[in-house]
Amino acid sequence: KAGVTQTPRYLIKTRGQQVTLSCSPISGHRSVSWYQQTPGQGLQFLFEYFSETQRNKGNFPGRFSGRQFSNSRSEMNVSTLELGDSALYLCASSSSGEETQYFGPGTRLLVL
Amino acid sequence: AQRVTQPEKLLSVFKGAPVELKCNYSYSGSPELFWYVQYSRQRLQLLLRHISRESIKGFTADLNKGETSFHLKKPFAQEEDSAMYYCALGDPVFGKGTRLSVIA
Repeated sequence: KAGVTQTPRYLIKTRGQQVTLSCSPISGHRSVSWYQQTPGQGLQFLFEYFSETQRNKGNFPGRFSGRQFSNSRSEMNVSTLELGDSALYLCASSSSGEETQYFGPGTRLLVL
Repeated sequence: AQRVTQPEKLLSVFKGAPVELKCNYSYSGSPELFWYVQYSRQRLQLLLRHISRESIKGFTADLNKGETSFHLKKPFAQEEDSAMYYCALGDPVFGKGTRLSVIA
């Protein structure tokens, strides 16, 4: 099976812009979770989607949003970008959210 | 509130020496705990979870509810163990990670 894929792999934006990141889970997986990884804060959970519904949400402002499509692919959107949003954004998929998660390579976002 | 603490940002050990990566958690209920590993230029991957009580790549972790700890241990470190290790709890909540460096 192909692994979790994320696009784009690298992205440079400026403050105030918005960005959309994409995640394609492993075929057959219905749960997709998003994480933010920074040197200062480490890994932080953003949200989880299952069958097109947000099932769980971390402690991030409303500028961070996401959605999941009927084919389980997921997008994450960050509006009004801030310098502190610069991070590696990881996506992970699993069958139902209860089993082992498989992580993608991440999208590295740099906000200037 | 749920919290995971990994007190060491960096841990350096010699090859063949025992390794212990510390993890303490704060959680009022029955915890579900994990260790994740990220090798250089590779994806984050699950190393082990406490409910399975398995040993992966020689690593084990025992849940100590009295001390609220889930330390990761390996009796003899190998150079290929050098990586970033994250302890995670429940929802999940991640620790900030410990970079393990095994010196030849």
